[in-house]
Amino acid sequence: DAKTTQPNSMESNEEEPVHLPCNHSTISGTDYIHWYRQLPSQGPEYVIHGLTSNVNNRMASLAIAEDRKSSTLILHRATLRDAAVYYCILRQAGTALIFGKGTTLSVSS
Amino acid sequence: ETGVTQTPRHLVMGMTNKKSLKCEQHLGHNAMYWYKQSAKKPLELMFVYSLEERVENNSVPSRFSPECPNSSHLFLHLHTLQPEDSALYLCASSQTLAARTDTQYFGPGTRLTVL
Repeated sequence: DAKTTQPNSMESNEEEPVHLPCNHSTISGTDYIHWYRQLPSQGPEYVIHGLTSNVNNRMASLAIAEDRKSSTLILHRATLRDAAVYYCILRQAGTALIFGKGTTLSVSS
Repeated sequence: ETGVTQTPRHLVMGMTNKKSLKCEQHLGHNAMYWYKQSAKKPLELMFVYSLEERVENNSVPSRFSPECPNSSHLFLHLHTLQPEDSALYLCASSQTLAARTDTQYFGPGTRLTVL
């Protein structure tokens, strides 16, 4: 399985932007980069995904490096409800999502 | 509302009991999954079903037995479990297994405690 590396934890203040990094130096040309998050006591939920171009949706933005060896999930204005574990996952065809440890994001008011 | 429901939400069972976890998806998806999440550990993929056929079984002990009677329902039958099997069991579904763009939708999980 293609691997990703994320910091164990990050902290942010409310209303500030948050940049969550992910390294995936062994990514193959056809792997999609997916981000999920898991709020306390809940199942994971989809955040965003992309292949090569940067992507935006109502939850976040995904910035993908030109060589695709890294990506960054951007939360434009963190809220207390964004405190969660964020997972960066490489999605390959024909397989389920394989989760790593993710980044635990803490948000302070 | 994620469209994936799981029952029961909490379950306490003894090591000699037999119980079943149920998952139902209302999204018209063709792939369903069981994951296990132990305390302080990442999610572990247990079983994968595509079009009601099991396509992946990640070295899960035989005391866990999945069943997928149709594309909307997935069960996990439990028998003679061990205390270390206590965990959050999560069900998920996606439109297909094949597409790299498909999103997996997760249920809220069943919190299992084995005494």
